[in-house]
Amino acid sequence: SQQGEEDPQALSIQEGENATMNCSYKTSINNLQWYRQNSGRGLVHLILIRSNEREKHSGRLRVTLDTSKKSSSLLITASRAADTASYFCAPGGTGRRALTFGSGTRLQVQP
Amino acid sequence: DSGVTQTPKHLITATGQRVTLRCSPRSGDLSVYWYQQSLDQGLQFLIQYYNGEERAKGNILERFSAQQFPDLHSELNLSSLELGDSALYFCASSVQPTGNYGYTFGSGTRLTVV
Repeated sequence: SQQGEEDPQALSIQEGENATMNCSYKTSINNLQWYRQNSGRGLVHLILIRSNEREKHSGRLRVTLDTSKKSSSLLITASRAADTASYFCAPGGTGRRALTFGSGTRLQVQP
Repeated sequence: DSGVTQTPKHLITATGQRVTLRCSPRSGDLSVYWYQQSLDQGLQFLIQYYNGEERAKGNILERFSAQQFPDLHSELNLSSLELGDSALYFCASSVQPTGNYGYTFGSGTRLTVV
């Protein structure tokens, strides 16, 4: 399966703290993508890191990728209540497969 | 507004009925994907179309079918509905068939089967 598995399943932090969530996958990839989903809404694409990149930044987001360990992490710095959402990783491979998603990490940021 | 339009936003129907969900992809995107999200199953990939042709199939039931029209909008048909089909149905689009630049999701159709 090309599905990523997010860890932890749930995370609760205080506003201003950093949030780190991890993703593991099993197959070779071209890229790995992170998405956010607010409750009952559609997924929003956050960031894409290619297989030849090790780290990427976008605003308060920092993504790392370790292809030797088949893992990625998403760090949200200085979290805000508005960051409360579920976060999904999606390994992007080759061939005709569409992106598949795991169960996500549910992040709760307490004001 | 993501640029992907899904209609209707909410749908309530009875078991055994048939419904059609509609999706208009973001302008310029040729690929359309359908996903089902229920509480106990997470986000499940159903089917993908690229420029009018079926490209990939996921866990789509035989009671479900889809198509993509020449104007690139797509419809997902759900028939002989069961209570377990109650879920959020999302459409996503991408410019390339591999989605290697990311997907854009619509806001979903919430289907309730009673």
